[in-house]
Parts: sequence; C-alpha cells; structure tokens
Amino acid sequence: DTEVTQTPKHLVMGMTNKKSLKCEQHMGHRAMYWYKQKAKKPPELMFVYSYEKLSINESVPSRFSPECPNSSLLNLHLHALQPEDSALYLCASSRNRGRWNEQFFGPGTRLTVL
Amino acid sequence: DQQVKQNSPSLSVQEGRISILNCDYTNSMFDYFLWYKKYPAEGPTFLISISSIKDKNEDGRFTVFLNKSAKHLSLHIVPSQPGDSAVYFCAASEDAGNMLTFGGGTRLMVKP
Repeated sequence: DTEVTQTPKHLVMGMTNKKSLKCEQHMGHRAMYWYKQKAKKPPELMFVYSYEKLSINESVPSRFSPECPNSSLLNLHLHALQPEDSALYLCASSRNRGRWNEQFFGPGTRLTVL
Repeated sequence: DQQVKQNSPSLSVQEGRISILNCDYTNSMFDYFLWYKKYPAEGPTFLISISSIKDKNEDGRFTVFLNKSAKHLSLHIVPSQPGDSAVYFCAASEDAGNMLTFGGGTRLMVKP
C-alpha cells in the first residue's frame, strides 16, 4: 500500500459545527503532516507529527485541533470555523524526520464553511 | 516574503520537446529541494528531489538541476508528453524534507 487516504473528500459545515477530517497511511511512515491550500496558492504547512507526537504547530488557530491516535492515523478536529477557513486540506506522510525524506500527499478534503 | 518563487505562472510546450520549469529561492539554509506535480482535485504527487550536496539528479524523463550560487533550480522534462500537463510546484526544506516551503506553482500545458 503506497498511498495516503483522506476522508471525507468534500465537507460542508456551518460555523457552529464540529467536524473531523481523517487521514490514513499504511506505509510505515512515522511523520505526518497537515497542510492548507487556498485556491491558486501553494500548500501551507499547519502541523507536523513525528512518532505520534506534535512537533510543529505553525501558529494555527485553536479552532483547528490535530490528533494522532496511532502511527497510521491523523485527524484534524474542526470547531467554530470561519468562512475564510474554506480550503483544500491536505495530509502528507514521510518515513520519519530524518534526512532526505520526500512527503507523500493524500488527495485532500475540500472544506466549505458557510 | 516569499522564500520560494516560481516566476512563470504558465508554460506551453509542444509534445516531444523539452519543458523547463524554473524555481528561485532566497533562504541559503535550504538543503533539500523537491518537485511535485498536481492535477486538479488531487493531492501533489512527488516527482524528483535533490539535496544541496548535488547539482543534478535524473530519473527517467525528469532531471533537476541545482545552482546553489544562483539560488536557482530547474526541472527538465524530456520528451514532454500531453499527460505531463499539470501544475508543478517546487518545494524547499532547511531540515532535509520535514518542513516544506512551496513555490506558487507553474501550470504546464503540453500540446499534442
């Protein structure tokens, strides 16, 4: 299995809703990432997990809450989002936080906040 | 301030010819560079990478060149195929691939 899967593919939520995005990989990778990509812009890093521990938080608002229950799974819990949070949310994984690791991306979840 | 720039938003090339995509960076601490291809409604797909200890890396039709003194890298695709039509992002890292900074992307169109 050489892919990163993300569910759901699309999500529409109101500003008072609580929802979660899910990411899964079975490549034995020990580093996992969340990115946000707005239209016609490059992906921007949000969080990095290394060996199931949060190692980098790029000053992301607390309405985004990541969770890594095990080495194969990464969640992003969403609460009280704003319309400007609408974007494509990408998950990625890499072997570890060692040297010369390429990141493999999932297809993304397209989020719309009404 | 953009640390990684792709100054050409789009590039059109005839099938069979060479495609050259360019990327400039400003952070001299970057030590690992990657190219990704992205189709609409899909995540980026890794293509090829190069570390700062090399100046060239080749994989099939794809070659990446790194000029550290000019802080410039380029991706050559030879021969170009219509299936190569996509948005190409260059990315750079100063910790060997962990925190990636992406350029703005170049849309490549390969005409049959």
